[in-house]
Amino acid sequence: SQKIEQNSEALNIQEGKTATLTCNYTNYSPAYLQWYRQDPGRGPVFLLLIRENEKEKRKERLKVTFDTTLKQSLFHITASQPADSATYPCAPRDNYGQNFVFGPGTRLSVLP
Amino acid sequence: EAQVTQNPRYLITVTGKKLTVTCSQNMNHEYMSWYRQDPGLGLRQIYYSMNVEVTDKGDVPEGYKVSRKEKRNFPLILESPSPNQTSLYFCASSLSPGYTDTQYFGPGTRLTVL
Repeated sequence: SQKIEQNSEALNIQEGKTATLTCNYTNYSPAYLQWYRQDPGRGPVFLLLIRENEKEKRKERLKVTFDTTLKQSLFHITASQPADSATYPCAPRDNYGQNFVFGPGTRLSVLP
Repeated sequence: EAQVTQNPRYLITVTGKKLTVTCSQNMNHEYMSWYRQDPGLGLRQIYYSMNVEVTDKGDVPEGYKVSRKEKRNFPLILESPSPNQTSLYFCASSLSPGYTDTQYFGPGTRLTVL
């Protein structure tokens, strides 16, 4: 069955450092992968989408990579700030799937 | 303002008392879905709808019903709620289930079943 794994433990980093979050998937052949941000008690908010033929995508301080051979996506936040503290779930998608599956998310805490 | 709205935001009920959580979007989106989220777990899809009168089961559909009679509305129905349905529920919509289907989420409904 399809499985999505993200760092199960919270990630604590110092302000100003780069945070790197991992999304690993099995039994998937995603055509693209999405990353979201979720604050406690609130709905997720879309951040970035990367396609299978794209190695890297950037948006301001965010960078996403996608390695279909390793079946992995990495999500980087550079120059992290306390306001970046949140949970970040990934969602691999194929072109034909109608249902939507999210990873459990990694909780990031940026310490001042 | 483009948004997904849910009502109620908070609900405490008792076992077996039928309830409906409403969801509405004003973006003319075709695709709508319901998720539940439990502590320490990711979002799990309950039901989704590709368009009016087209619905399908997600990963955890047991104990829930949905309907899609209008494009903008997608209510979630619990015919006989049980304590294991105590959870945080999110409705979401997207333009279509294609590859650019960014999901827009509602504010959530926190349900407690006693």
